[in-house]
Amino acid sequence: QSVLTQPPSVSGAPGQRVTISCTGNSSNIGAGYDVHWYQQLPGTAPRLLIYGNINRPSGVPDRFSGSKSGTSASLAITGLQAEDEAEYHCQSYDKSLSGYVVFGGGTKLTVL
Amino acid sequence: QVQLQESGPGLEKPSQTLSLTCTVSGGSITSGGYYWTWIRQHPGKGLEWLAYIYDSGTTYRNPSLRSRVSISVDTSKNHFSLNLSSVTAADTAVYYCARSRGYSWGFDSWGQGALVTVSS
Repeated sequence: QSVLTQPPSVSGAPGQRVTISCTGNSSNIGAGYDVHWYQQLPGTAPRLLIYGNINRPSGVPDRFSGSKSGTSASLAITGLQAEDEAEYHCQSYDKSLSGYVVFGGGTKLTVL
Repeated sequence: QVQLQESGPGLEKPSQTLSLTCTVSGGSITSGGYYWTWIRQHPGKGLEWLAYIYDSGTTYRNPSLRSRVSISVDTSKNHFSLNLSSVTAADTAVYYCARSRGYSWGFDSWGQGALVTVSS
């Protein structure tokens, strides 16, 4: 299973706000390593959505925002749109075993 | 705008070595101090980091796959490669190459992915 824990699925109606959690431990998120988020549309490669916990690359709408506290991080999407239906993945770094990149298991967002 | 493109066989036999190449276009693989990375995604599953290479030769591999994974770079061809030995059906996945600015940074550029099936 994945080192970072995400809910398998979340859903919301158009216009609503949803959040996706990403839970780690003291070896990764809790150790101060940044969390990054990706959006993956069906059949496509992941796209960087949030980097360094809270930053959006150019071109990412401000409806997407990230936060981090303690051993967890969250992705919030406001004003939900049909085009937001996708898989969302979180990523961080783990200092155990000499260090390695870790991901969450992914969360499927369904827009009702 | 840098672009990454994976290439390699889509079918590999069990016990063989899976080999993939990622060609980088729109920029030199030696500039910018980037970490060039391989990531895979099993069907219907999450992402799994495999290895990265930086400084034109320094490598780091996922501890759980370290004995089977190797990564290398050919600066003359502006590409980097993945070898995964002794493959089994459990290695069937989409393999992505990607780029980041540091070992704990996000991956800002990705290839489109290459599906590799391990089957006899």
